[in-house]
Amino acid sequence: TQLLEQSPQFLSIQEGENLTVYCNSSSVFSSLQWYRQEPGEGPVLLVTVVTGGEVKKLKRLTFQFGDARKDSSLHITAAQPGDTGLYLCAGGPPGTYKYIFGTGTRLKVLA
Amino acid sequence: EAGVAQSPRYKIIEKRQSVAFWCNPISGHATLYWYQQILGQGPKLLIQFQNNGVVDDSQLPKDRFSAERLKGVDSTLKIQPAKLEDSAVYLCASSDNYRLGGFNTGELFFGEGSRLTVL
Repeated sequence: TQLLEQSPQFLSIQEGENLTVYCNSSSVFSSLQWYRQEPGEGPVLLVTVVTGGEVKKLKRLTFQFGDARKDSSLHITAAQPGDTGLYLCAGGPPGTYKYIFGTGTRLKVLA
Repeated sequence: EAGVAQSPRYKIIEKRQSVAFWCNPISGHATLYWYQQILGQGPKLLIQFQNNGVVDDSQLPKDRFSAERLKGVDSTLKIQPAKLEDSAVYLCASSDNYRLGGFNTGELFFGEGSRLTVL
């Protein structure tokens, strides 16, 4: 069974601080995605990475896919209250269009 | 473009009763997924359809859960009989799957979910 473990599980920080969320697995994935979910809504895609070692930037968010395609990280610079939410990584096993979600990281940014 | 529609938004039932959830995906999306999200956890894949065929239902508790997508468009997820541990949000998603750089990927578009409480 493929599992994606995220750390930390919870994070409460002050506005302006930086943070990194990790997504780790012992399995190889074809692609790795990051989603953000707000209360009462479904997850919304932030980014997709498909190449080992790939780094993508989306404004203050930086995403990295591990060289071995088993792990990923999300770094937020100068966090803002609007970044508050549940961050989920999702991996696609090779040869499938199946997406396995990680355990989630709940972020709260205080003004 | 209309998003993924789900109903009902909320449902409260007694244990051992039955319940059904409905999902209408984004037009043209061949792949449809049902996920179960227990409070505070990441979504767990229950079943994946490609058109009207099942691709993966390995995590679906088949003694009580069933799902169908008869005409390859909308889908229904049923639970009968419900247990207390089935209390969760049931998320439906559809995807525009494609290949990127030689790898399978795609964006999941989720509905707002159906929140089930089993008493």
